[in-house]
Amino acid sequence: RKEVEQDPGPFNVPEGATVAFNCTYSNSASQSFFWYRQDCRKEPKLLMSVYSSGNEDGRFTAQLNRASQYISLLIRDSKLSDSATYLCVVDNYGQNFVFGPGTRLSVLP
Amino acid sequence: NAGVTQTPKFQVLKTGQSMTLQCAQDMNHNSMYWYRQDPGMGLRLIYYSASEGTTDKGEVPNGYNVSRLNKREFSLRLESAAPSQTSVYFCASRVGGGAQETQYFGPGTRLLVL
Repeated sequence: RKEVEQDPGPFNVPEGATVAFNCTYSNSASQSFFWYRQDCRKEPKLLMSVYSSGNEDGRFTAQLNRASQYISLLIRDSKLSDSATYLCVVDNYGQNFVFGPGTRLSVLP
Repeated sequence: NAGVTQTPKFQVLKTGQSMTLQCAQDMNHNSMYWYRQDPGMGLRLIYYSASEGTTDKGEVPNGYNVSRLNKREFSLRLESAAPSQTSVYFCASRVGGGAQETQYFGPGTRLLVL
């Protein structure tokens, strides 16, 4: 079993739709969690950190469920510019990030 | 601030050739990392350096060596390139090992080994 798993997609949604991605992780000792965004042929960039109480940044909401070991990302009112690959990232022992394979999102006009 | 820079952007090698990928950061970060990214595989850690003077193996270190030249620079060397090393290589840096500290990535080096 991979340490961080994501549905690779692609998720094809119309503009204005709400879309949710889930990610599961296997290491119960994982400390920190993030969502990164990666555009085609570009480097990953931090989208948002994921806190235990859940957190929101504009149209994006991240949730963490430690008991079930999954993280979610909700995007409301999707824009064309949201089209990208979304990487779930788990930080173990404060040093090494483990990246999921990514979920591709295409927002269609 | 340039952030994390990498050179070269693109490289084509023949099997058996050697090369060094350069990475530098100007954010005064302690930790630096080298990843490779292959289609469908996600980013995999090759080597990392928690601080100047230290390096450690990651998930896929075979065929690579690294040097943490100083706090700013962390290079990755392929001594004898193989087609299996065709990939996109990303360097990243981070302040340290604290909780919720993020990593910042360079723009990547696209390597093709023939």
